[in-house]
Amino acid sequence: DTEVTQTPKHLVMGMTNKKSLKCEQHMGHRAMYWYKQKAKKPPELMFVYSYEKLSINESVPSRFSPECPNSSLLNLHLHALQPEDSALYLCASSPRGLRDEQYFGPGTRLTVT
Amino acid sequence: RKEVEQDPGPFNVPEGATVAFNCTYSNSASQSFFWYRQDCRKEPKLLMSVYSSGNEDGRFTAQLNRASQYISLLIRDSKLSDSATYLCVVTHNTDKLIFGTGTRLQVFP
Repeated sequence: DTEVTQTPKHLVMGMTNKKSLKCEQHMGHRAMYWYKQKAKKPPELMFVYSYEKLSINESVPSRFSPECPNSSLLNLHLHALQPEDSALYLCASSPRGLRDEQYFGPGTRLTVT
Repeated sequence: RKEVEQDPGPFNVPEGATVAFNCTYSNSASQSFFWYRQDCRKEPKLLMSVYSSGNEDGRFTAQLNRASQYISLLIRDSKLSDSATYLCVVTHNTDKLIFGTGTRLQVFP
């Protein structure tokens, strides 16, 4: 099973809302990632969790808050977002870390109104 | 200069053609290299890891040239289904990963 799942597929939220994105993998991977992708641009790395600890935060604003409850799950908590945060949010996992190949989930398409 | 650069294309090629993409990187300490493909409004999917000795998977061949700091992807006998954006990814140390901007390929009948 080389599948990474993400929920929800689509999300529309207002600037005062609080919502969460969820990601799950059952490949036994120990590194998990959040990316943001705008149209016609490559994915931008946001956070990396390695062995359930946050190892990289690419200077992401605090309105994005990641959480790794266990080795299979990764959440991204959203609060007080701005319209420019509208994008495709991709989760990925890899066996150990950045040097390994990554497997991406289908993404959550987020619209902030 | 960007850390990872790709020709954005689009490359428009007929079915059956051979097409090659290059990706240059600026950090000589880069350690891992990958090619991903991304279809419109879909997630990136791993195509190949790239090794120093070069590697081949069916119609796809990837090469790494450390001296000139580029990786390449060769697609032989192009199919319509190869139409996608091809992204190169470069990592160095354990804390840096960079996607190239992608090269768009359109294969026509």
